Amino acid sequence: EAGVTQFPSHSVIEKGQTVTLRCDPISGHDNLYWYRRVMGKEIKFLLHFVKESKQDESGMPNNRFLAERTGGTYSTLKVQPAELEDSGVYFCASSAKVGQGAAEQYFGPGTRLTVT
Amino acid sequence: GNSVTQMEGPVTLSEEAFLTINCTYTATGYPSLFWYVQYPGEGLQLLLKATKADDKGSNKGFEATYRKETTSFHLEKGSVQVSDSAVYFCALSPFQKLVFGTGTRLLVSP
Repeated sequence: EAGVTQFPSHSVIEKGQTVTLRCDPISGHDNLYWYRRVMGKEIKFLLHFVKESKQDESGMPNNRFLAERTGGTYSTLKVQPAELEDSGVYFCASSAKVGQGAAEQYFGPGTRLTVT
Repeated sequence: GNSVTQMEGPVTLSEEAFLTINCTYTATGYPSLFWYVQYPGEGLQLLLKATKADDKGSNKGFEATYRKETTSFHLEKGSVQVSDSAVYFCALSPFQKLVFGTGTRLLVSP
């Protein structure tokens, strides 16, 4: 069974440009999460999808970030326009259970975003 | 609110030494507690978890006990190996999302 995959693994863009990150969860997992780790700090929650619906987007930093999960399969996270403080590692995770807490989340390897 | 505090690293040990990485938490309600590990070049992996007070999670020789009275979930291993070198994250989950600590890098030398 394939794990969570993320693309690209690394992206370097200039301030003001747009970047789109992609996450493919484990097949059949209804829950999909985005997290971010900035400059060696804690990993912070961004948002949570259940299938194609946004269950919790309380961690999204501002309206420059747009997440989608059309069809309830893969998800994209677009940053437009990117700012220097958006640099960090963006992790995606998925889990199988709907409506239950503390289900194991499986993480992808992350996308390292560098904004110059 | 919910938060996790971990000891700062790096923690540098010789092979076969005893490991403790401290983790304390603040939470509303009764969250589940986790330790995740990130090996170089890889994603986060669940190492162990505990879902209620006094539960002990264990895996690959690592252990952690959910201590409600001290709001702690310290990670221990009796004898570390070079292959244990990684970044370890303590986390809690009050419901769905995970709340992480800052991570502790462990470096084990032969």
